[in-house]
Amino acid sequence: DGGITQSPKYLFRKEGQNVTLSCEQNLNHDAMYWYRQDPGQGLRLIYYSQIVNDFQKGDIAEGYSVSREKKESFPLTVTSAQKNPTAFYLCASSGSGRNQPQHFGDGTRLSIL
Amino acid sequence: RKEVEQDPGPFNVPEGATVAFNCTYSNSASQSFFWYRQDCRKEPKLLMSVYSSGNEDGRFTAQLNRASQYISLLIRDSKLSDSATYLCVVTGAGSYQLTFGKGTKLSVIP
Repeated sequence: DGGITQSPKYLFRKEGQNVTLSCEQNLNHDAMYWYRQDPGQGLRLIYYSQIVNDFQKGDIAEGYSVSREKKESFPLTVTSAQKNPTAFYLCASSGSGRNQPQHFGDGTRLSIL
Repeated sequence: RKEVEQDPGPFNVPEGATVAFNCTYSNSASQSFFWYRQDCRKEPKLLMSVYSSGNEDGRFTAQLNRASQYISLLIRDSKLSDSATYLCVVTGAGSYQLTFGKGTKLSVIP
């Protein structure tokens, strides 16, 4: 089945540690996105990528990094510089052209140990 | 003014009721509009796109008023399974980026 797969579902980070969240899609979508959602809050854009080997910062990129080496994959690294990483992280993708709806993976919950 | 503003609710309605959610957006150049549904601790799922002429999908009707920068979602004959948070989503002008409202929580009560 076509879709977006995020892993792991739950992740725990020790202080000072970098962790990487995986996002893979087989929808042949060009654009991919990472969002963060805190309890009772809306989604906030971390990074997005419109094409392979290119990505742009969103509203809250500090403390995060991404890569887009393959069309199917858009991993997010939460670095030790992100002091408040506990949140629900959502990856999304959308088809070619502007103003397309986005489709989401089922998310990764990150907590600090 | 916030970019996308929604009444947070919660809206508690009995089964079979009709309920309407409203959303206002600040960017007059926005071109695309969507309603998403998010269940507790789950990812958002696209419910429907919102077209200028208004559109209907079964029990759901979406309306857009560009002059007032206002979007609405009407749910008729509410079901228990409609209980969720409904997110109003807007794009910028020619933009890949979506701006999400914080959502309106709906609880349908037996």
